[in-house]
Amino acid sequence: GAGVSQSPRYKVAKRGQDVALRCDPISGHVSLFWYQQALGQGPEFLTYFQNEAQLDKSGLPSDRFFAERPEGSVSTLKIQRTQQEDSAVYLCASSLGGGLTEAFFGQGTRLTVV
Amino acid sequence: GESVGLHLPTLSVQEGDNSIINCAYSNSASDYFIWYKQESGKGPQFIIDIRSNMDKRQGQRVTVLLNKTVKHLSLQIAATQPGDSAVYFCAESSSNTGKLIFGQGTTLQVKP
Repeated sequence: GAGVSQSPRYKVAKRGQDVALRCDPISGHVSLFWYQQALGQGPEFLTYFQNEAQLDKSGLPSDRFFAERPEGSVSTLKIQRTQQEDSAVYLCASSLGGGLTEAFFGQGTRLTVV
Repeated sequence: GESVGLHLPTLSVQEGDNSIINCAYSNSASDYFIWYKQESGKGPQFIIDIRSNMDKRQGQRVTVLLNKTVKHLSLQIAATQPGDSAVYFCAESSSNTGKLIFGQGTTLQVKP
C-alpha cells in the first residue's frame, strides 16, 4: 500500500485478555517505531526496530508488552493480560532509516480495555 | 468510561490570519526537529522539519524557527485555513535512531 497500515482500527478487550496489534510499514522502510498515545496527550515512544532487530525497547511500560518484526517488514505489538491503563491509541511509524529521515505514521489502533 | 486527558493549549485564529504555535524542547542533544499535524482519529502527519544546523526553514505556507539557545521551536502558518484546524505537535529526535520525543501539543481552531 501507499502508507503505513494498522489493524485492527479498533479493539475492545476484556481485562486480562491478550491482544495483538499489527503494523504493515511502507515497503522498503528499514525503521519501524511503536508509540502509545493516551487521550489528550502526545505520542510516547515504546520501541524501535531496524529491519528485524529490536534496537530499543526502553519505552515498553512493562513485561506484558512485547513487539516483534521477524522478517523485517510486518510488526506485531502484543499486550498480555491487558489492564485498564493500557487503553490508548497505539501508533506505528516507519521511515527509510536513519535518524534524519521522515517518519510516516499509520492511523493507529484504538485499544479499549473494559 | 474514558479517563479525562490533559487539556491541550488552544490557539484560536480567524481564517486568513497567520498562526504561530510554540514549543519548548527538552534535550540539548537533539539535532532534528519536526512538526506534526494530527486530526481527530488519524495518525500524526508530517508538516515540516529542521535540522539543528539551521535556524529557519520554509515550506508551503509554513515556516519553522529554531532557537537552540533557549531550546525553543515555533511553527508559523500563513493565511490560516479551516482545514488547518487540528492538534499540532512538535517532536525532537537525535540523528542516531530517529526515536521521536513529542511535546504537549496545541489545538489550533480556525474560525471562518
